Amino acid sequence: GAGVSQSPSNKVTEKGKDVELRCDPISGHTALYWYRQRLGQGLEFLIYFQGNSAPDKSGLPSDRFSAERTGESVSTLTIQRTQQEDSAVYLCASSLARTFTDTQYFGPGTRLTVL
Amino acid sequence: AQRVTQPEKLLSVFKGAPVELKCNYSYSGSPELFWYVQYSRQRLQLLLRHISRESIKGFTADLNKGETSFHLKKPFAQEEDSAMYYCALRGSGYSTLTFGKGTMLLVSP
Repeated sequence: GAGVSQSPSNKVTEKGKDVELRCDPISGHTALYWYRQRLGQGLEFLIYFQGNSAPDKSGLPSDRFSAERTGESVSTLTIQRTQQEDSAVYLCASSLARTFTDTQYFGPGTRLTVL
Repeated sequence: AQRVTQPEKLLSVFKGAPVELKCNYSYSGSPELFWYVQYSRQRLQLLLRHISRESIKGFTADLNKGETSFHLKKPFAQEEDSAMYYCALRGSGYSTLTFGKGTMLLVSP
C-alpha cells in the first residue's frame, strides 16, 4: 500500500516568509510525528499527534512553529517568519499506535531552504 | 533526559570485513532501542529493534544494559550495506523516538 507522503519535496523560501509543510500518513495510522533533521545532525523530535490532539509538543523550537492535524489524516506543519536556522529536512512519520511499541514509518521528507 | 550517542560519523570498511556501528544511550528507565537505516535516495526505515531479537540482512544488535549500549554488528559487510544508520531510543510509556546523529557506513569493493 501507499506509504507516508509529504509535500512539497523541496521548498526554497526567503527569510521572514511563512511556509506550510504537509504530511499524509498511512491510512489507518492514528499516530503522526514530525521530526527535523538539520545538516550534520540527528533527527530532532518536534511534535506528536494521537488522532487530532497533540499530547506532546515539547520539541517545537519556538512559537513560530505550529502544527495541526485533521482527524486521523493530513497534518500541516507551519513555520512563520522563517529564519535561516530553520533550513533542514522535515520528516513525518506515522504508526498504528495500538501500543507504544508500534513501528514508525517515515515519509521522504521536505527539504526546506531559507535564503 | 534521554540521549543517544553514535560516536562515529563515518565508518569505512572493505567488502567482507566485519562491521560494528556503535550506539550508547542515556536513560534512567527501561528503554526500547532501534536501528534505522537510510539508503541513498530512499526514506528512513526500520532495520531492527531490540525486543525482536532478530537478524535483519545479516545485522544483529544486542542491548547491553550494563554498558548502556546497542551496537549494530554484521560479520561480513556487503557493498549494498552502504547507507546512513541511526540508533534510536524510545523511553517507557512514550511514543516518540530520540535519535543519534547517525553513522555513514561505506563498504568498498
